Amino acid sequence: GNSVTQMEGPVTLSEEAFLTINCTYTATGYPSLFWYVQYPGEGLQLLLKATKADDKGSNKGFEATYRKETTSFHLEKGSVQVSDSAVYFCALSATNQAGTALIFGKGTTLSVSS
Amino acid sequence: DSGVTQTPKHLITATGQRVTLRCSPRSGDLSVYWYQQSLDQGLQFLIQYYNGEERAKGNILERFSAQQFPDLHSELNLSSLELGDSALYFCASSVDLAGPNEQFFGPGTRLTVL
Repeated sequence: GNSVTQMEGPVTLSEEAFLTINCTYTATGYPSLFWYVQYPGEGLQLLLKATKADDKGSNKGFEATYRKETTSFHLEKGSVQVSDSAVYFCALSATNQAGTALIFGKGTTLSVSS
Repeated sequence: DSGVTQTPKHLITATGQRVTLRCSPRSGDLSVYWYQQSLDQGLQFLIQYYNGEERAKGNILERFSAQQFPDLHSELNLSSLELGDSALYFCASSVDLAGPNEQFFGPGTRLTVL
């Protein structure tokens, strides 16, 4: 079946540190991959996405590359800010003839201090 | 603001009761999805509707049901509530039925079963 595994948190960093959150997936076919972010008290927002192998998604300084050979989609940012503190979810889109579902990882809490 | 609205924001009820959660998708979006977020299970897909029809089903209990109305708003009905149903319930919407379309999430309804 389809599943997503991401590194457990919490991840605690100082401002301007480098961030990596690992994500690997298991899927039949070629899913699209997503990173969503959830700020405290809010719903999820799409951070970035990639729809095929070797695609790089990027937004707000965050990047992730769809690696089919390692079934990975690791999230990176070169210099984190306090405002990046949130929960980050890796997800894949499992689509069949019936419809679509997002399969999420368990989420990684990022805490950035100044 | 994602454009997806959910009511109520909070709901407190007792075991054995029935509740209805409501969702209005973004203008123009035909697909509506329901997700449950709990500490132990993480974020789980429950069900998808497209233009009034059920299209994909995830880990939705038989005590739960949903529907999408002609004006495209959706309701999630939870009955015979148990303590373990306490969770954050998110609605999301997207333009299309399938593919790598971004899902836009509402702010969620926090259900507490006492």
